[in-house]
Amino acid sequence: GQNIDQPTEMTATEGAIVQINCTYQTSGFNGLFWYQQHAGEAPTFLSYNVLDGLEEKGRFSSFLSRSKGYSYLLLKELQMKDSASYLCAVRPTYSGAGSYQLTFGKGTKLSVIP
Amino acid sequence: ETGVTQSPTHLIKTRGQQVTLRCSSQSGHNTVSWYQQALGQGPQFIFQYYREEENGRGNFPPRFSGLQFPNYSSELNVNALELDDSALYLCASSFSPGDRGSERFFGPGTRLTVL
Repeated sequence: GQNIDQPTEMTATEGAIVQINCTYQTSGFNGLFWYQQHAGEAPTFLSYNVLDGLEEKGRFSSFLSRSKGYSYLLLKELQMKDSASYLCAVRPTYSGAGSYQLTFGKGTKLSVIP
Repeated sequence: ETGVTQSPTHLIKTRGQQVTLRCSSQSGHNTVSWYQQALGQGPQFIFQYYREEENGRGNFPPRFSGLQFPNYSSELNVNALELDDSALYLCASSFSPGDRGSERFFGPGTRLTVL
């Protein structure tokens, strides 16, 4: 089966750094995605990791360790507009029909306070 | 280049009714995936269409069905609506099922409320 775990909620202060963790157990692995989702809106793509290591994109970075089934999203210089849910999603195996679907975690609701 | 669009934005139905949701894929994309997101949950994969054929299905009953048209736009049909079908329905498009960057482009979603 597929299982993806993320903390339910986190709170951080404006200007600070926050790390949102994601652990996964899936049948195979072919990439991990992070999305930002504001209330009532669609998810917005943030990052994609398929190899181990850190991917940096502006204030956002994402790390992956395939051997540990672990990823994190790092947000620096937090702004009030970063208050949102952050979704971790894994694409399991890469073969056959239906293997391109994503399995999502329940999301981490981040509140940024002044 | 136009993004993924969905219609309608919001919809209210009653139990037992049928509903059709629509998705227009991003220009150049031939693959559309549909997801259901209940309140407080992550999206769940319903199915994917590639070149007008279903190309994989999640754990949803047969009353969830779909179509893809020659222009690669897609429909999601849900029959015999149940209260638990109330959710945000999302579609995502990509250049191909094997596009490793697929599911980067989600539409704005359709909010379905079943009363």
